[in-house]
Amino acid sequence: AQTVTQSQPEMSVQEAETVTLSCTYDTSESDYYLFWYKQPPSRQMILVIRQEAYKQQNATENRFSVNFQKAAKSFSLKISDSQLGDAAMYFCASLGVHKYIFGTGTRLKVLA
Amino acid sequence: DTGVSQDPRHKITKRGQNVTFRCDPISEHNRLYWYRQTLGQGPEFLTYFQNEAQLEKSRLLSDRFSAERPKGSFSTLEIQRTEQGDSAMYLCASSTLTTGSGELFFGEGSRLTVL
Repeated sequence: AQTVTQSQPEMSVQEAETVTLSCTYDTSESDYYLFWYKQPPSRQMILVIRQEAYKQQNATENRFSVNFQKAAKSFSLKISDSQLGDAAMYFCASLGVHKYIFGTGTRLKVLA
Repeated sequence: DTGVSQDPRHKITKRGQNVTFRCDPISEHNRLYWYRQTLGQGPEFLTYFQNEAQLEKSRLLSDRFSAERPKGSFSTLEIQRTEQGDSAMYLCASSTLTTGSGELFFGEGSRLTVL
């Protein structure tokens, strides 16, 4: 069975500062993907970053990077130089054979 | 391609009525998913299609819910005899095997309110 756990319901960060959102997962699949999705208020969910489990190198996308610890089944998202537009719900997700399982989300507030 | 589109965007209905939602995925995507999201929660898996075949349905889904994807293109999600607990955002998403990335593309959702 796949599970995804996000233990931080809400986080705040000062504009231009760095914040890390936590995620742990469990899966019986040997090959899987991990994702962070962003859902702005009243808008559709969009992909922030993805990680293939077989790759040891942590994924990065501009100001967004992950810390993927496979043995610990941990997949955290780091947002550098936070901007007001980063305020949103962030969902961690895993993809096994075909099913995407999402965590409960972390609401990120960016303070001006 | 304009992305994943869902219709209607909002639906208000009385308890006991039937409702149907439509999803048009990105045209070349062969995988289509339905999720349900309540306020402050993450998307909850409902069902999944590969082309026209429904490959998995959540055990949490009652038999009042049914989904189809008759020609492997658009999909419909029908809820019969709606209950107040069905009030939620119903999200459709699509992806393709060919990208290798596994990225899900979401629609804007259909918000259901059951009075």
